[in-house]
Amino acid sequence: QVQLEESGPGLVKPSETLSLTCSVSGGSISSWSYYWGWIRQPPGKGLEWIASINHSGSTFYSASLKSRVTLSVDTSKNQVSLKLRSVTAADTAVYYCARFFIAMAGIAPDPWGQGTLVTVSS
Amino acid sequence: SYELTQPPSVSVSPGQTARITCSGDALPKKSAYWYQQKSGQAPVLVIYDDSKRPSGIPERFSGSTSGTMATLTISGAQVEDEADYYCYSTDSSGNHRVFGGGTKLTVL
Repeated sequence: QVQLEESGPGLVKPSETLSLTCSVSGGSISSWSYYWGWIRQPPGKGLEWIASINHSGSTFYSASLKSRVTLSVDTSKNQVSLKLRSVTAADTAVYYCARFFIAMAGIAPDPWGQGTLVTVSS
Repeated sequence: SYELTQPPSVSVSPGQTARITCSGDALPKKSAYWYQQKSGQAPVLVIYDDSKRPSGIPERFSGSTSGTMATLTISGAQVEDEADYYCYSTDSSGNHRVFGGGTKLTVL
């Protein structure tokens, strides 16, 4: 059964770059059946899809975050990485990594990692 | 930008049927997905492709769509079903993925 684990700094300063890594176990990130991506949730608020990527680099980005986000895959390490530039306090959230399966409405996340809280503060 | 609209809260007594709605202009053409998020936990998929139930999800969870509205139904809601529920889908172009604002289900 595939498992996903997020890792990275829990505190980032305003204007800097948030960098997170998702390590995948129990399944290959090189499978053509899936995409991999990130979703975030500000404290006490709802879910926001950020971006998704497959092993060949085909990527979908949220329109509202596209200018600040970069997603990449490392198939040798079975990892997906997220970089979010020029962060502000509004980027404070729990960041979830998820596998996206190919569905009737495109791609949908399942399962999810346990999430990691990233706080933007000086 | 595309939006999915959910009621902020729904409340039922144990054993009653809970219905949570999600409205969006593209839902007649794009499937809806439903996620359950219990306090302090990651979301879990409970319905996919409008009405299919993943393995391990109780039969009391079902999904349906009609026009621009998708509905998650929990028949005979139990106390352990108390959680936030989110719908998910894409706009008509298929390029933009969105979650609804979430509905807090209270069972008491």
